[in-house]
Amino acid sequence: NAGVTQTPKFRVLKTGQSMTLLCAQDMNHEYMYWYRQDPGMGLRLIHYSVGEGTTAKGEVPDGYNVSRLKKQNFLLGLESAAPSQTSVYFCASSLPRSNTEAFFGQGTRLTVV
Amino acid sequence: LAKTTQPISMDSYEGQEVNITCSHNNIATNDYITWYQQFPSQGPRFIIQGYKTKVTNEVASLFIPADRKSSTLSLPRVSLSDTAVYYCLVGSLSGSARQLTFGSGTQLTVLP
Repeated sequence: NAGVTQTPKFRVLKTGQSMTLLCAQDMNHEYMYWYRQDPGMGLRLIHYSVGEGTTAKGEVPDGYNVSRLKKQNFLLGLESAAPSQTSVYFCASSLPRSNTEAFFGQGTRLTVV
Repeated sequence: LAKTTQPISMDSYEGQEVNITCSHNNIATNDYITWYQQFPSQGPRFIIQGYKTKVTNEVASLFIPADRKSSTLSLPRVSLSDTAVYYCLVGSLSGSARQLTFGSGTQLTVLP
């Protein structure tokens, strides 16, 4: 039982390049989230999904796209990376109960130069 | 989504009890109060969650007054390994929001 696994752990991109971050969970959770965390700041929600085939925008969705084709996977895409997207990205998942316990991955450190 | 306010930083010494208070004046009826812990270079980790009164688990206690406009996370006998950022969240995954909103958190530093 691995929990929430993010791939890759580190990546350096050039401005304008594209990439996809993969999040996989093996807990059969309905809800999945993508957050970004900038130095010294809290987490900000980018996009989230409440089930397979559904996605919704969070607090800072611009410049990102997501897909949830399979229940266990949540993909975050950067179509044209910008230096402002340099950050640590965290994926999380949770059950659709009326509580707020979510499980987070270890993060992906992305640098855009 | 209810906004939360908590101290930016706190210092404590090993063996002491630490209380971190969070204000959430606009908490909604369906909202739960949840605390997360985050170590450097790691994702946040769920600590405790409550709706009202007092909740206790093996890690911490959560005190919520009757009006629910604030809450206090209590860490008994802290050690150096409790140095981390602690986030207070207010929300509900069953409502239309269906998301967790993190604030800036409280940096707790435990000194020897």
